[in-house]
Amino acid sequence: DIQMTQSPSSLSASVGDRVNITCRASQSISRYLIWYQQKAGKAPKVLIYAASSLQTGVPSRFSGSGSGTDFTLTISSLEPEDFATYHCQQSYNTPWTFGQGTKLEIK
Amino acid sequence: EVHLVESGGRLVKPGGSLRLSCTASGFTFSSYTMNWVRQAPGKGLEWVSSISSSPSNIYYVASVKGRFTISRDNAKNSVYLQMDSLRDEDTAVYFCAKGGAEFDSWGQGTLVTVSS
Repeated sequence: DIQMTQSPSSLSASVGDRVNITCRASQSISRYLIWYQQKAGKAPKVLIYAASSLQTGVPSRFSGSGSGTDFTLTISSLEPEDFATYHCQQSYNTPWTFGQGTKLEIK
Repeated sequence: EVHLVESGGRLVKPGGSLRLSCTASGFTFSSYTMNWVRQAPGKGLEWVSSISSSPSNIYYVASVKGRFTISRDNAKNSVYLQMDSLRDEDTAVYFCAKGGAEFDSWGQGTLVTVSS
């Protein structure tokens, strides 16, 4: 199975900050990487697919980069509604696996 | 608009059984692979099982293989998860999710608690 490791596990930041969340795969997954945002008590929603493609309706302050084993989710300027938990997931092969999540909190 | 509604979660004793249901609307259900994904309290997401549209292709995570069975009824726009021999570690919110490898729509989840 492909292991996905996110860092950091938690992050405190302020509105307007630029933040990066990283995700590392235990083997190459090309660009088969998805980023989700999950707010407390809610279902996840897709932000980024194929490592860097922005899902329809997602604000342009979100971006994704990377290929192979190392990936990054960047939020260019935090808005209040961005404080949530972020998950990466590999879509290279089954079993589909997720990172442990990164909780983004208000400083 | 895609709408997925899960039901069937409750408190069950270890070794017990439960059947979860997910009813879909807003898209052509019979054309899409459907999945179950779970999230234990305070933990990350774990994909559990998927079933293709036909449904000729079925997959499970190793930890549930032989205990859980996924099925679907395209006439009822529904997907099911039969869970047998439940264990404490199966306690989680179970989400129904649409899509092959990318889960583009999710339900609100149903809570399964396994405890004596």
